[in-house]
Amino acid sequence: RKEVEQDPGPFNVPEGATVAFNCTYSNSASQSFFWYRQDCRKEPKLLMSVYSSGNEDGRFTAQLNRASQYISLLIRDSKLSDSATYLCVVNTGNQFYFGTGTSLTVIP
Amino acid sequence: EPEVTQTPSHQVTQMGQEVILRCVPISNHLYFYWYRQILGQKVEFLVSFYNNEISEKSEIFDDQFSVERPDGSNFTLKIRSTKLEDSAMYFCASSEGKAEGEETQYFGPGTRLLVL
Repeated sequence: RKEVEQDPGPFNVPEGATVAFNCTYSNSASQSFFWYRQDCRKEPKLLMSVYSSGNEDGRFTAQLNRASQYISLLIRDSKLSDSATYLCVVNTGNQFYFGTGTSLTVIP
Repeated sequence: EPEVTQTPSHQVTQMGQEVILRCVPISNHLYFYWYRQILGQKVEFLVSFYNNEISEKSEIFDDQFSVERPDGSNFTLKIRSTKLEDSAMYFCASSEGKAEGEETQYFGPGTRLLVL
């Protein structure tokens, strides 16, 4: 069973749309959770950490459900610059496990 | 803003040759990591390093691989005898610590390794 599973997409949405990504993880002992963004052939860049209480950063909202071992990312009012691959990352036993990523393309 | 740097950006080598990939982590960070990403696949953990020794390593990190912090700033990944399947992007990362709030990892721009 994979440590981290994500829907690979691709998601193609118009500018201004709201889009949600989901991620599940297999190890209930996982300690911390993140969303990273990766542009084509570039390094992963931290988008936001995910806390149990949920957290928001501008147009981005992340949620964590430990009981269901589920993480989500909501992007409101999508911009062209949001086009990228979004990586769900789970810290388990001091190792970072990456999902395969969800590809988003925002269309003018 | 402090950042992780890596050299070279690209490396082409012949199968069986040794390569050394270099990284300069963020200066006040204590934990260092290497990851690889084969083209079209997910980012995979290789190894973490703390206090001048390996703290965790994955199944990928076999005897062909080694890491070193030769001085106060550099962190290197050596592949002794490269194979075709070692072709990938190699990312270095660093974090302040392991405690909550410190464990966020910041990635370098990567070294693209091509083994012919």
